[in-house]
Amino acid sequence: EAGVAQSPRYKIIEKRQSVAFWCNPISGHATLYWYQQILGQGPKLLIQFQNNGVVDDSQLPKDRFSAERLKGVDSTLKIQPAKLEDSAVYLCASSLDAGLNTEAFFGQGTRLTVV
Amino acid sequence: AQSVTQPDIHITVSEGASLELRCNYSYGATPYLFWYVQSPGQGLQLLLKYFSGDTLVQGIKGFEAEFKRSQSSFNLRKPSVHWSDAAEYFCAVGVTGTYKYIFGTGTRLKVLA
Repeated sequence: EAGVAQSPRYKIIEKRQSVAFWCNPISGHATLYWYQQILGQGPKLLIQFQNNGVVDDSQLPKDRFSAERLKGVDSTLKIQPAKLEDSAVYLCASSLDAGLNTEAFFGQGTRLTVV
Repeated sequence: AQSVTQPDIHITVSEGASLELRCNYSYGATPYLFWYVQSPGQGLQLLLKYFSGDTLVQGIKGFEAEFKRSQSSFNLRKPSVHWSDAAEYFCAVGVTGTYKYIFGTGTRLKVLA
């Protein structure tokens, strides 16, 4: 079974530029998550989708971050404009369904460096 | 507010030695508790989880964890560590009524040959 795919693996941009990350979840998984993992910290949930609807985006900085999940499959996360403090690893995860008893499978992440 | 504390940022053990990684949580109700492992350049992999029932739970790769309500703890243990266990370990609590996980800051494990 293929895992969660993310691209790119690494990205370096200058502050105020824009960037987009892509995630392809495991086939058949209805729930998709984007997490931000700053160096030295645990992952923090940015947004959660159930199919193509948003379940939770309470911690997404909506003035600069946006995410979409068209057709309930692939998802993109965009930052515009980027700030230095956005430097982090962005992890995508998916699960069969929402619910804390459903295992989430994580991709390898995209490491973003903002200079 | 719910929170998870992993008091040890780094731990170093010799191969073959036993291991215990500490995790304390702050949560009013019975929590959903998880341990994840993250190898360098990899995503997180679930080691084990606790929802209810037996307070000693077994996971993959020979890991186990014990839920102690009185101490608000969910410590991860392994009787004999292998060099391949070197990684970062995250404890997480699931917030019931939401689908949100709160992760600790992680413990980085180094294994000496």
